[in-house]
Amino acid sequence: EVQLVESGGGLVQPGGSLRLSCAASGFTFSSYWMSWVRQAPGKGLEWVANIKQDGSEKYYVDSVKGRFTISRDNAKNSLYLQMNSLRAEDTAVYYCARGGRGNWNSGWDYWGQGTLVTVSS
Amino acid sequence: DIVMTQTPLSLSVTPGQPASISCKSSQSLLHSDGKTYLYWYLQKPGQSPQLLIYEVSSRFSGVPDRFSGSGSGTDFTLKISRVEAEDVGVYYCMQGIHLHTFGQGTKLEIK
Repeated sequence: EVQLVESGGGLVQPGGSLRLSCAASGFTFSSYWMSWVRQAPGKGLEWVANIKQDGSEKYYVDSVKGRFTISRDNAKNSLYLQMNSLRAEDTAVYYCARGGRGNWNSGWDYWGQGTLVTVSS
Repeated sequence: DIVMTQTPLSLSVTPGQPASISCKSSQSLLHSDGKTYLYWYLQKPGQSPQLLIYEVSSRFSGVPDRFSGSGSGTDFTLKISRVEAEDVGVYYCMQGIHLHTFGQGTKLEIK
C-alpha cells in the first residue's frame, strides 16, 4: 500500500524557516517524480515544487523561488521541503504527492494527509 | 502562466441525477508527445485530494464508472452520471503541460 506521511509543520514567525519531511513507503520511491502541493485555509490547491527521480531537475512556482528548496533522499525514501524567509501567505496545509515515472507532466496519484504550516507573529 | 477556469463554482444535485463540471484552459493542453495533460481531483470534506481522472478521460484505479472525463485542446468536462451522497466535496481540474495549475474548484453538494 502506497503511503506518504508528512511531518515538520508548525507555527513559525515571519522571516523564519521550517523543514518539511515526507516519508514514503509501499512503492519504489526512487522511480517517481515527487511534489509538494499546498492549500491555504479555505482556499484551493496550489502546486509548489517538483523533483525528478534522481534530484537532477527541480521546478518551483514563482512565489517560492529563491526561498523554498525541494530535495529527496532515495536511500531513506524521503522527500523534503526547506522553507526559508517565510511569509504570512505561505500559511497552508502542505501535501506531499507522488508524480509519474516518466516526465514531470504527470499528475499525482497518491497524496499524504498534509502538514499545517502557520506563519504568524 | 496557464489559467484554468471551472464552471460552475458550486453545484447542488439530487441523488441519482447527473452532474457536469466544465474546465477551460487558457492554452492547449496537448503535448508534443500526443498526450493531453488534464486531470480531475476530488477533495472530500476533511480529506486530502484524490485522483479521479488522468489525461482527460482515463479513470484512476478504483474510481467508479459513473465518473467520466472528456474534452480536448482547451475545453474539458467531468461528468457524474448518477450522483451519490459520497460524491460531495470540491472538484478540481489541473493542467500539467506547463508546470501545474489548478482550477478554482467546484463545490458539489447534495440537495
